[in-house]
Amino acid sequence: RKEVEQDPGPFNVPEGATVAFNCTYSNSASQSFFWYRQDCRKEPKLLMSVYSSGNEDGRFTAQLNRASQYISLLIRDSKLSDSATYLCVVNGYGNQFYFGTGTSLTVIP
Amino acid sequence: DTAVSQTPKYLVTQMGNDKSIKCEQNLGHDTMYWYKQDSKKFLKIMFSYNNKELIINETVPNRFSPKSPDKAHLNLHINSLELGDSAVYFCASSRGASGDSTDTQYFGPGTRLTVL
Repeated sequence: RKEVEQDPGPFNVPEGATVAFNCTYSNSASQSFFWYRQDCRKEPKLLMSVYSSGNEDGRFTAQLNRASQYISLLIRDSKLSDSATYLCVVNGYGNQFYFGTGTSLTVIP
Repeated sequence: DTAVSQTPKYLVTQMGNDKSIKCEQNLGHDTMYWYKQDSKKFLKIMFSYNNKELIINETVPNRFSPKSPDKAHLNLHINSLELGDSAVYFCASSRGASGDSTDTQYFGPGTRLTVL
């Protein structure tokens, strides 16, 4: 079983739509959780950390459910510039970061 | 001012050659990583060093040899290149403090390796 599993998509949504991505992780001892964004032919960049109580950064909301070992990312009012691959990342024991396969999002005009 | 830098950005070479990729970080981080991202876009960890010591060594052919001369540098040498080595190789760094739940990774721009 993979450490982190994501629906690869692709998600194609119109501008202004709300879209949600989900991710599950296998190790219940995982300590920290993140969403990264990767644009085509670029490096992954941290989008936001995910805290137990849930957190919001502008149009982006991240949630963590430790009991279900589940992480989500909600994007409201999608912009063309949100088109990218979104990577779910889990930090387990010993500074090892586990990456999901990524979910591809295309926002259509 | 680039936090994590890699050279070269592009590398095109023939099968059987030996090549190196260099990585440097100026963030003062203790841990550095090498990842391989193939055509299917999956980011796979290859190696991780903490303060010049190897801490993660995934199942990677021994043609790949990392070297960390100091904690700010982690180089990757590849012997006898094969077609399947074609991929984008990303270097990353993190603070590396054990149990630090706020630790995150910063990535270099990647090295696109093409083996002909």
